Amino acid sequence: AQSVTQLGSHVSVSEGALVLLRCNYSSSVPPYLFWYVQYPNQGLQLLLKYTTGATLVKGINGFEAEFKKSETSFHLTKPSAHMSDAAEYFCAVPTGGGNKLTFGTGTQLKVEL
Amino acid sequence: KAGVTQTPRYLIKTRGQQVTLSCSPISGHRSVSWYQQTPGQGLQFLFEYFSETQRNKGNFPGRFSGRQFSNSRSEMNVSTLELGDSALYLCASRGDSLITDTQYFGPGTRLTVL
Repeated sequence: AQSVTQLGSHVSVSEGALVLLRCNYSSSVPPYLFWYVQYPNQGLQLLLKYTTGATLVKGINGFEAEFKKSETSFHLTKPSAHMSDAAEYFCAVPTGGGNKLTFGTGTQLKVEL
Repeated sequence: KAGVTQTPRYLIKTRGQQVTLSCSPISGHRSVSWYQQTPGQGLQFLFEYFSETQRNKGNFPGRFSGRQFSNSRSEMNVSTLELGDSALYLCASRGDSLITDTQYFGPGTRLTVL
């Protein structure tokens, strides 16, 4: 079954520093992959998704992710962190015939001054 | 357009009681999914309804049930509540395809079981 693994349950960066949140998927077939963000006391919001085509995917709020088949990875990056980026980030992959999402365990991003 | 609405936002119940949560999807969306979020288990899929039919079901006991109405609004019910049912319950709606359509999540219902 397809799944995703997020390395690092907590990541702390300084404001203005690079953000790198890691996600690896398990599948021999190129999957579809999603990144969601959850701000405190809110639901999840789609940041970006990889379906087909270009392996570098640009999302909202300056985030992007690169699908690397050789590394089975889909890491999320942002060149310069902002205080407002503090949130929990989830990587997800469609399963169950493509009608449900299986989420990673999440990475809590803390941005410090 | 209006987002996904969930009611109530907060709920406190005692063990043994039952609870019904409601979700109003974005207009035009026929798919409604429910997820449970807990610190220990993370985000877990409960079930998905599409045009009033349950299309997928997660690995939860039969105490968890749901339904979808003709206007796509959905409810989930948990009977005989247990302490472990305390969680944030998230509803999500989308168009026909999870791959091509964006899935929008509601703010969730925070259920506390005492």
